Amino acid sequence: SQKIEQNSEALNIQEGKTATLTCNYTNYSPAYLQWYRQDPGRGPVFLLLIRENEKEKRKERLKVTFDTTLKQSLFHITASQPADSATYLCALEENFNKFYFGSGTKLNVKP
Amino acid sequence: NAGVTQTPKFQVLKTGQSMTLQCAQDMNHNSMYWYRQDPGMGLRLIYYSASEGTTDKGEVPNGYNVSRLNKREFSLRLESAAPSQTSVYFCASRATGGDGYEQYFGPGTRLTVT
Repeated sequence: SQKIEQNSEALNIQEGKTATLTCNYTNYSPAYLQWYRQDPGRGPVFLLLIRENEKEKRKERLKVTFDTTLKQSLFHITASQPADSATYLCALEENFNKFYFGSGTKLNVKP
Repeated sequence: NAGVTQTPKFQVLKTGQSMTLQCAQDMNHNSMYWYRQDPGMGLRLIYYSASEGTTDKGEVPNGYNVSRLNKREFSLRLESAAPSQTSVYFCASRATGGDGYEQYFGPGTRLTVT
């Protein structure tokens, strides 16, 4: 089965800086990879999806890259704000409907 | 449009008791999922249902049963609760099951087994 690794240590950055979160996976490369945001006491909320043939995907201040050679996805938040503070999860679908999630990285953006 | 709803929000059980967690979605999604989330472990898939009438095991199905009652509802049953099942349970749904569709999550059920 897939194993997904995200940095379990919290990432602390200053407001206005760019946050970069890492997601590494084992085994075969998925057709796509997803990123979710989770606030305390709430369910995850979908942010972005990137397919294996896409090197980069952007949505407003968010950018995701996907390197199938390194088996890695990077998630960037530019001009970060305190409101971006949350836990960010990456996920992939191994077989139809069989999803695996990383344990998430907690981002703290300090004013 | 409520999205994905879950009941109850909180539950405390004694070891050996049984209970059913309820989940419903109003987005006409084909696929539905049950996850558990433990500290430091991330979300782990318990069971999923690709369509009404079908269910399949996920990564951690032991100790659980599910029912896809109709297209809207997907319930998770603990027949004999154990302390190891103390967790936060999330239900999710997805459109059509096709490649690349996002999952919509419910607010979660926090379950404690003593």
